Amino acid sequence: GESVGLHLPTLSVQEGDNSIINCAYSNSASDYFIWYKQESGKGPQFIIDIRSNMDKRQGQRVTVLLNKTVKHLSLQIAATQPGDSAVYFCAENEKLVFGTGTRLLVSP
Amino acid sequence: GAVVSQHPSRVICKSGTSVKIECRSLDFQATTMFWYRQFPKKSLMLMATSNEGSKATYEQGVEKDKFLINHASLTLSTLTVTSAHPEDSSFYICSAKGKRSHNEQFFGPGTRLTVL
Repeated sequence: GESVGLHLPTLSVQEGDNSIINCAYSNSASDYFIWYKQESGKGPQFIIDIRSNMDKRQGQRVTVLLNKTVKHLSLQIAATQPGDSAVYFCAENEKLVFGTGTRLLVSP
Repeated sequence: GAVVSQHPSRVICKSGTSVKIECRSLDFQATTMFWYRQFPKKSLMLMATSNEGSKATYEQGVEKDKFLINHASLTLSTLTVTSAHPEDSSFYICSAKGKRSHNEQFFGPGTRLTVL
């Protein structure tokens, strides 16, 4: 079956650092991926998405990289801020299968 | 942007009672709505997918008689947890997808259900 998983459960960074959150997926037929941010007690919030015909997509302070060869997805957050502290999920969109999530902790 | 609301945000009920959770798309028509369940410090687990006017499609292992889903209009879906038990306590989240949102799903804020 399809699965999406994350490499690290928790990532701790200092404010101002760049953060990289990784995700592995197993369904090579997946053509759409999304990163979500979820703050405690709230629903997921869309951050950025990417289609399989792209390798990289940039947003405001965030960049998603897709490596289809190794079925790997990453989310880069530039100049991480305390407000970025949350759990980050990648999801593959046919049925929006969510990975386990990575908790990002940003220290001032 | 597209907004999805859920009501109530929190509910506490006694074991054996039924609880209804509403999911509304406030500024767009949701052709498809999804219901997820999330346990503490865990990922979201898709429970069912519902299309307006048709029966919901449940994921494997989800009891359709236990979790009743109704998607009666393009802006409202309801999840009813019937004869709730303490193990049904969880965070329930809905999401909605509209005609123009391509593949993007917009999530509600979630409903915290506690069954005593």
